[in-house]
Parts: sequence; structure tokens; C-alpha cells
Amino acid sequence: AQSVTQLDSQVPVFEEAPVELRCNYSSSVSVYLFWYVQYPNQGLQLLLKYLSGSTLVKGINGFEAEFNKSQTSFHLRKPSVHISDTAEYFCAVSEVGNNDMRFGAGTRLTVKP
Amino acid sequence: GAGVSQSPSNKVTEKGKDVELRCDPISGHTALYWYRQSLGQGLEFLIYFQGNSAPDKSGLPSDRFSAERTGGSVSTLTIQRTQQEDSAVYLCASSLTNSPLHFGNGTRLTVT
Repeated sequence: AQSVTQLDSQVPVFEEAPVELRCNYSSSVSVYLFWYVQYPNQGLQLLLKYLSGSTLVKGINGFEAEFNKSQTSFHLRKPSVHISDTAEYFCAVSEVGNNDMRFGAGTRLTVKP
Repeated sequence: GAGVSQSPSNKVTEKGKDVELRCDPISGHTALYWYRQSLGQGLEFLIYFQGNSAPDKSGLPSDRFSAERTGGSVSTLTIQRTQQEDSAVYLCASSLTNSPLHFGNGTRLTVT
């Protein structure tokens, strides 16, 4: 089955700094990739997804991610973070033709003033 | 329209008791998932239902855990003889085929 590794459990950054949250996946077949966000005391919601086409995917709140097949990565980036971006971010993968979705352990992004 | 609904939102139970957690997915969604979220542990896959296919139970941590999905809609996750390590937030999600998941707000289970 597919699996996901999020390399950083916690990422502290200052407001207006750039951020990259790393995600690597493992699968023997083609995949779909997702980033979900969980704000404090809220449920998970979709941030962005890669299904096909352009490897650079733009999501809500100024986030983007790039699918790199050779490196089996799907890192999430934002050029300038806000306090309101403080949340837990989860990378997820499902195999094409199989709806089974697996998540990484999450990265807690803390934006400091 | 209505999202994924989970009940109860909070459940406190004594060690050794059985609990049932309910999930009402979005109407028409063929896939239904159960995950467990423990403090600092991320999202742990438990079980996945897809249409009329046999469920993928590979994530269930022990034989005390079971789940069913009746009529391709509502799902119930049952934990028998609860233990303190079962305390967590249990999340249900549903989706169309190869589409993003829609999550419920979860059931916070506390085993005392």
C-alpha cells in the first residue's frame, strides 16, 4: 500500500517569512496527492490537490505545492506566512484507481509575530 | 448541502465498556473512511469502505475494533472492552471516487 512521510513534525517561523513543509510518498503506481489543513479546534479541510496536468498546484490562502515524480515528493510552500496560517498540515496520497487515502503524521506550523 | 455528520461529538466511557460511534456520510459518496487522531500522532488509518466491495480493515489496531456500513450509507465503528489507549478523536470522512475527502468534526472518546 501507499505511504506518506512528513519529514518535519513542527515548523516554527516568523510572520511574513517563507515556509516549506516537506512530504514524500511511496507507491508502486501512479498517485493523487493532497494537502489538508486543520486549524485549531476545527476539522480537516482540503488545501490543494494534484490529480494530473501541471505539477505546480495552487491552493487556498496562497499555498502551492509541486509534484516531483522523480523525487516522489509533494512539498507545500508559501512565500509569506501570516499568523492565521498557524495550523496542522497533513499530506495525503491515494493510488490512481484505488480510493484508499493514507495520511502523513502531520506538520504543526506555528507562525510567530 | 449537509456535510459528514458524526455522533456523539464527545463520549466518556469507563474502561472495559463497549462504545459505538456513528457516521453519516454525504449522500452519494461511495467511499467512507475511519481515522483515529491521537495527540501528536497524526491521522491513523483504521478502515475504508468503497461501494459494495469488501472493506479494507488493515488499519484496525485489534480485534476489539470493528466497523460496518449499512446500505452503503451510515457507518458504525464499534470498540469493545475499551482501554485507556483507545482515547482519541475518531474521524469519519467520505468521498466520491478519487476525490478529496470530506471530514466530519469527529468524536472525542475518553476512556477513564
